[in-house]
Amino acid sequence: DAGVIQSPRHEVTEMGQEVTLRCKPISGHNSLFWYRQTMMRGLELLIYFNNNVPIDDSGMPEDRFSAKMPNASFSTLKIQPSEPRDSAVYFCASSLSGGKLFFGSGTQLSVL
Amino acid sequence: TQLLEQSPQFLSIQEGENLTVYCNSSSVFSSLQWYRQEPGEGPVLLVTVVTGGEVKKLKRLTFQFGDARKDSSLHITAAQPGDTGLYLCAGEASVDYKLSFGAGTTVTVRA
Repeated sequence: DAGVIQSPRHEVTEMGQEVTLRCKPISGHNSLFWYRQTMMRGLELLIYFNNNVPIDDSGMPEDRFSAKMPNASFSTLKIQPSEPRDSAVYFCASSLSGGKLFFGSGTQLSVL
Repeated sequence: TQLLEQSPQFLSIQEGENLTVYCNSSSVFSSLQWYRQEPGEGPVLLVTVVTGGEVKKLKRLTFQFGDARKDSSLHITAAQPGDTGLYLCAGEASVDYKLSFGAGTTVTVRA
């Protein structure tokens, strides 16, 4: 199994630009999570989906952030417009019915 | 404010020494997980403890869940350079099963 696949691995953009992060969960997993990791705040849950339906988005910092899961094998996290304080590593993770959590390798986002 | 407090924040030891990392909270958790994260990668689950007072061993790593299910510790015996990484604890809430992570302990084992 290839594991959770995230793209891009690195993204550098200018303030105000739209950023789209992508995630392919492990085949067969029905729960998908988006996390953000910074030195200051550690690992924070942004949103999670169960069977493609958003269950809890209370961790999404602002309306500039949105996430979709159009099907069981793909999810996106979009930031529009991006700001320098959004710079962080964004992780996608998946699990089977709340079991063991598998993380992707993350997307390192730098907003200049 | 972190729901889970990890200590110490940084730990640097010589190969062969022992170390202990602590994870404390005022909240009760239905389970507690320990992860190790290496640079440029996502966290990888090491163990899940569920029962108060539970002790689990994974080779040279020993994990303990507090009796009240509010705290946990990770002990590494005879540390090796391959143990270097960021160790994260994560507690699963009893009410909504949401996972909250501690800030992590960065462990460096020098050869």
